[in-house]
Amino acid sequence: EIVLTQSPGTLSLAPGERVTLSCRASQSVSSYVAWYQQKPGQAPRLLIYGASSRATAIPDRFSGSGSGTDFTLTISRLEPEDFAVYYCQQYDTSPCSFGQGTKLEIK
Amino acid sequence: QVQLVQSGAEVQKPGSSVKVSCKASGGTFSSNAINWVRQAPGQGLEWMGGIIPDLGATIYAQKFQGRVTITTDEPTSTVYMELNSLRLEDTAVYYCARVNVGGVIGFYFDNWGHGTLLTVSS
Repeated sequence: EIVLTQSPGTLSLAPGERVTLSCRASQSVSSYVAWYQQKPGQAPRLLIYGASSRATAIPDRFSGSGSGTDFTLTISRLEPEDFAVYYCQQYDTSPCSFGQGTKLEIK
Repeated sequence: QVQLVQSGAEVQKPGSSVKVSCKASGGTFSSNAINWVRQAPGQGLEWMGGIIPDLGATIYAQKFQGRVTITTDEPTSTVYMELNSLRLEDTAVYYCARVNVGGVIGFYFDNWGHGTLLTVSS
């Protein structure tokens, strides 16, 4: 099973700041990476698929990049509603797997 | 778009079984796979398996092989996930989630149900 390691575990930032989250795979997953946002008590929401394609209705302040084993999710300017937990997922190899998550909290 | 509506919270005893449903409201599943992902309290996401409803084809994560069964009832556009031999550590929120690419199961998920809390307690 492919292991995804996300870093950092927690980030404390202020609205308006730029943030980059990291996701590293234990072996190459090509560009088969998705990113999700999850708020307390809610289901995850798809942000990015194919490493860099934004899902429907996702604001353009969210962007993804990477291929192979190293991937990033960048939020160009944090809005108050962006403070949540973010998960990466690989779907290159079955079983698909998720990272452990990065929590974005308000500083 | 199609909304995934899940059944309500469950409390079950260790060793028993549970069957959770996921119904497509406002549409059908067709060839879009429905997967099950669970999340233990305060933990991350774990893929359990999925089904392509119009084919009945299933794939299960090895961890759950033999203990989970995913089925579909096409006339009612409902997918079921049955988990047997429940353990305390099966306490989690169980989500159904749709793949928006036809014919594949464990892919990215663009549409999620609201989740069903399963509590396993003696």
